[in-house]
Amino acid sequence: KQEVTQIPAALSVPEGENLVLNCSFTDSAIYNLQWFRQDPGKGLTSLLLIQSSQREQTSGRLNASLDKSSGRSTLYIAASQPGDSATYLCAPTPGLTGGGNKLTFGTGTQLKVEL
Amino acid sequence: DAGITQSPRHKVTETGTPVTLRCHQTENHRYMYWYRQDPGHGLRLIHYSYGVKDTDKGEVSDGYSVSRSKTEDFLLTLESATSSQTSVYFCAISEGGLYEKLFFGSGTQLSVL
Repeated sequence: KQEVTQIPAALSVPEGENLVLNCSFTDSAIYNLQWFRQDPGKGLTSLLLIQSSQREQTSGRLNASLDKSSGRSTLYIAASQPGDSATYLCAPTPGLTGGGNKLTFGTGTQLKVEL
Repeated sequence: DAGITQSPRHKVTETGTPVTLRCHQTENHRYMYWYRQDPGHGLRLIHYSYGVKDTDKGEVSDGYSVSRSKTEDFLLTLESATSSQTSVYFCAISEGGLYEKLFFGSGTQLSVL
């Protein structure tokens, strides 16, 4: 069974810092991995999807990397802003799902960016 | 915006009563999912659907049933609600097909007293 760990569980940084969120997973037989953000009381918003054949995926100030063989992904946020404050979750997709996209979610990193 | 609407947004019910949550999408996506989110457990898959009348179980399906009679609607039913089913329930869809990005609804906060 896939297990996903996100470290740290919470992080507080001053505005403008570059930061790295970590995600590790136990089963490396994944098809892809997604990063999401969740604002309080809201649903999840997809940020990046990185295929197992890729090493990096970028969107604006966000960069996700994937090292499938070691079971790790990182989300890099450049020049953090207060609006980046949210919980960030990673979710690897297993390689064989038999008809559905059975993601396993980590419990997230709660990020607070302070002025 | 993937056009996902969940209803109701909030519900309080009593133990033993049946409850149905609705997920409605406007864009005819094939894959739909129900998740629950609990502190310390993250999001866990309850059931999913890969087409009209095609559904399958997820990780935590006990006590839940689903139905999908139309492409746009995916219903989650708690036949006899228990306090352990107090949770936030999210519906999600895959745009484009299997292995594509997931898009989530805003969630339903369910409290079973």
